[in-house]
Amino acid sequence: DQQVKQNSPSLSVQEGRISILNCDYTNSMFDYFLWYKKYPAEGPTFLISISSIKDKNEDGRFTVFLNKSAKHLSLHIVPSQPGDSAVYFCAATNSGGSNYKLTFGKGTLLTVNP
Amino acid sequence: DTAVSQTPKYLVTQMGNDKSIKCEQNLGHDTMYWYKQDSKKFLKIMFSYNNKELIINETVPNRFSPKSPDKAHLNLHINSLELGDSAVYFCASSQNPRGPQHFGDGTRLSIL
Repeated sequence: DQQVKQNSPSLSVQEGRISILNCDYTNSMFDYFLWYKKYPAEGPTFLISISSIKDKNEDGRFTVFLNKSAKHLSLHIVPSQPGDSAVYFCAATNSGGSNYKLTFGKGTLLTVNP
Repeated sequence: DTAVSQTPKYLVTQMGNDKSIKCEQNLGHDTMYWYKQDSKKFLKIMFSYNNKELIINETVPNRFSPKSPDKAHLNLHINSLELGDSAVYFCASSQNPRGPQHFGDGTRLSIL
């Protein structure tokens, strides 16, 4: 039962353009969402997060949008750079729960072409 | 200065053996985790310790036993290894159970 889904296994964009990575979730108890970036042979690196009290959070070139009614979030990277090429994982949790268990999606491989 | 370090990076062993993976963090974090990334690429939580106390224990075979000698270390011992244990195991840490998690580079375990 995949509670966090990233339906696009891969995405290819040109340098300088916008990259949009999508994530859907099914558990209505999730109220805190995170994006992680992973290079080959390395661990995931925290990128940006958003609480369900917001619908947008921005950090430099990275913006996460949350649509609670659709149970959908997206990560926008603009402008995209070749160094952004990595696997991006969406993760979600219920911050009011007794623990802080993150549920991860399967990841989307982003390739930014020079 | 690696923040979360795991050893070994690669582990190849025979079915039935017992092995351990070590994890250390130098971030001063209170919470540590073990994740398994299987062949389908899902990252799944196995265990979490906060201040050396077990707070998350997912449905994991009891052949897997975490041990936290202090807040900076969380080791994973696996008994009687099986083919299905082949995966990449990631250690992570966070300031507290609600903080963003910092991951190690993973240990690739291969069972022959």
